[in-house]
Amino acid sequence: AQTVTQSQPEMSVQEAETVTLSCTYDTSESNYYLFWYKQPPSRQMILVIRQEAYKQQNATENRFSVNFQKAAKSFSLKISDSQLGDTAMYFCAFMQAAGNKLTFGGGTRVLVKP
Amino acid sequence: ETGVTQTPRHLVMGMTNKKSLKCEQHLGHNAMYWYKQSAKKPLELMFVYNFKEQTENNSVPSRFSPECPNSSHLFLHLHTLQPEDSALYLCASSRPAGNQETQYFGPGTRLLVL
Repeated sequence: AQTVTQSQPEMSVQEAETVTLSCTYDTSESNYYLFWYKQPPSRQMILVIRQEAYKQQNATENRFSVNFQKAAKSFSLKISDSQLGDTAMYFCAFMQAAGNKLTFGGGTRVLVKP
Repeated sequence: ETGVTQTPRHLVMGMTNKKSLKCEQHLGHNAMYWYKQSAKKPLELMFVYNFKEQTENNSVPSRFSPECPNSSHLFLHLHTLQPEDSALYLCASSRPAGNQETQYFGPGTRLLVL
């Protein structure tokens, strides 16, 4: 079974600065998909970014980028130029290639301070 | 808004009540999911429907009964729940499950069982 671990329960960052959230996962598969979701206080789970394991290039979405290290089974999220609206819980998630089941990590709470 | 709506947004029920949660997606997707988000636990997949057929039941107790009458609607019927069932119930949808499709979430129903 796959597991996803987010070792940082909470992080704070000053507005306009950069914060990096860590995520590690355990799988025996070679092809899979990784996601970061954001859950603001409204509780709406919003997709931030997606990475295919077969792609070596790290995914980027505006101020959000990932550092995907397949050998280390690491998938960190970098938020650049942090904004107050980035305050939320961030969840890392794993999906195996042959399925549709998302396995989530425990989440990291990010607080952006003015 | 992600195109996935859930009603009600909040629900309080006694252990002997029967209630239903509703999810509707307006994205033209064919797969729908129920997740449970409890305090201090990662999101847990409960059920998956693909083209109205249930394809996954993640060992969910029978007091939770899903129904998927068509690809746009998903229900979760609740009866004789326990206080430990209090949680945020999230619905998600995607293009056909099994193809590594990104899941889009609704805002959730916060359930309190007294």
